[in-house]
Amino acid sequence: DVKVTQSSRYLVKRTGEKVFLECVQDMDHENMFWYRQDPGLGLRLIYFSYDVKMKEKGDIPEGYSVSREKKERFSLILESASTNQTSMYLCASRTEWETQYFGPGTRLLVL
Amino acid sequence: TQLLEQSPQFLSIQEGENLTVYCNSSSVFSSLQWYRQEPGEGPVLLVTVVTGGEVKKLKRLTFQFGDARKDSSLHITAAQPGDTGLYLCAGAHGANSKLTFGKGITLSVRP
Repeated sequence: DVKVTQSSRYLVKRTGEKVFLECVQDMDHENMFWYRQDPGLGLRLIYFSYDVKMKEKGDIPEGYSVSREKKERFSLILESASTNQTSMYLCASRTEWETQYFGPGTRLLVL
Repeated sequence: TQLLEQSPQFLSIQEGENLTVYCNSSSVFSSLQWYRQEPGEGPVLLVTVVTGGEVKKLKRLTFQFGDARKDSSLHITAAQPGDTGLYLCAGAHGANSKLTFGKGITLSVRP
């Protein structure tokens, strides 16, 4: 079974803190993605990566950065957390055959 | 621009009823995926359809990909409370393309 894991299920941070969200997949997938999910807005793509050390902006990259130093790991960084970044964050990885698998999500609350 | 429209947005039915929900687009997709997401969890892949006109069955769930590969339907027979959740469809435009997600259909099955 494909497994995508995320480092935390719940996080509470203060405004201005630097926040790291980690994602690991165990299926040697090339493609990895970070989304946020908010009520009424659906899933929105923040960043994605097609290969190690490669990153592409998604639809809403402002306020975020990413790192992909190893193929299995894709990190999302909030440089200075703000209250409008309170959300559910979902990591995903994908096979070359377009089937995408999600992690369990990290629910982030920024106070 | 909402490229994938899912309907209805909300559906509340009694256990044992049948239902059909839809995922429509003006775009042609190379494949389309359906997910179910429970509150506080990540989306779980149900099925990927690839060929126009394809029908796939997963126990009481029947998925159909439109002949023109622009739309899809999900039919649930004899719905159960365990079917409750958010149903997302997502379309791909090729192996390395980003998935386009619909906003989802919230299904509630009352015992």
